[in-house]
Order: sequence, then C-alpha cells, then structure tokens
Amino acid sequence: QQQVKQSPQSLIVQKGGISIINCAYENTAFDYFPWYQQFPGKGPALLIAIRPDVSEKKEGRFTISFNKSAKQFSLHIMDSQPGDSATYFCAASGGGSNYKLTFGKGTLLTVNP
Amino acid sequence: KAGVTQTPRYLIKTRGQQVTLSCSPISGHRSVSWYQQTPGQGLQFLFEYFSETQRNKGNFPGRFSGRQFSNSRSEMNVSTLELGDSALYLCASSRSGGHSYNEQFFGPGTRLTVL
Repeated sequence: QQQVKQSPQSLIVQKGGISIINCAYENTAFDYFPWYQQFPGKGPALLIAIRPDVSEKKEGRFTISFNKSAKQFSLHIMDSQPGDSATYFCAASGGGSNYKLTFGKGTLLTVNP
Repeated sequence: KAGVTQTPRYLIKTRGQQVTLSCSPISGHRSVSWYQQTPGQGLQFLFEYFSETQRNKGNFPGRFSGRQFSNSRSEMNVSTLELGDSALYLCASSRSGGHSYNEQFFGPGTRLTVL
C-alpha cells in the first residue's frame, strides 16, 4: 500500500521557470510533511517541511502548499536554476509511525539553462 | 559539526553471504533510522533505534536486523544475501525521534551490490 503518492515522476523546466511537484497521502494521522532533495551519490537532505496547522510555508525560493481536506501537499520552486536539478522526495510521518518517514517515489527535476 | 557517516561506502558481496553496515550519527543524536533505496521501490523504512532499543520496524524479512550501541552508533546486518538486496542503504539520525517533527539528517549511504 503506497501511502504517499508523488507526481510527476520527472519534470523538465527552463531556467527561471516554476517547478511544481505534487503529493497526496492517505493516512490522516500524518502530521509532519517534509520535502527532501537528493543529488546523485548523496543522501537526501531536508529542504523544507510543514505541519498541517498551516496552509503554506515559504523558505527562499521554495514553498510548500498544504491542503488538509484534500490530503495533498505540493512543492513549488520559484525561479528554478540548473543547480536545482536533483531528485525531490516528499515524505510524511506521524500517528502510529512517529519514528519513520514514508516517502513518495520521487521526482527527477531537470532545469535547462 | 560532523554529519552522519556511513561505512563502508561501497560493498560487493555474493548471494548467500552476509553483510554488516555501520552508521555513526551526528553528535548528540540518539535516534538512528535505516532506509533502503532502490530504483523500483524508492525509499523504504527498515527500522529505528533509540537508546539501544528498536522502536519501529518496517516490512522487511528477518534477514534484516540491526542494533544500536551505547554511544548511539548503529549497525545493520543482512544475512543470506539475495540479488534483490542490492540497494543504497541510508542511515538517518535525529535528536530524539520522540515525535514526528524531529528532522532526520541522512548520511551518504552504503551502496551494496549483490552478485
């Protein structure tokens, strides 16, 4: 059972454009939703995270939008740069699985110069 | 502050062998989690340890086991290796893991290849 569904699998954006990655979850007990960025040969690194008591969180060029009723959240990367080219994972945790992150399958983002 | 370190970084084994991977968490972090990353299944949770106790376990066979030492360092062991165990094994540490808000910091992973 895939508890966190992520789309699209891959995304190509031009430099300066907006990258949007979407995730949907099933477990209503989830209460923490982080996004991770992973470069080849590296481990995932936390980018930004949100709790369900807010609908949006912004850090620099990265914004999470959260829709609790729809059980969806998304990552927006404004002014996308070639250095943003990486694989992005959404994740969720909480409820009975407080100690583990459930990840989406990932989105390979390519930003063309 | 040093990050999460994992050793070895690369490992090649043959079917039927066993392997032990090591993880040293960030200083002061007491929770260590292990994840398996494969192209087909993505990132999957293996288990989490806190103060030498396993608190949560993912849906993996008993061939996968782990332990944590008093200094919070952790090891995971895979016995009777199968071809499907080829993956990147990631370790993540957090301060206490006591609730879901704890940020997990990942190491670079150990790339295991089973021939």
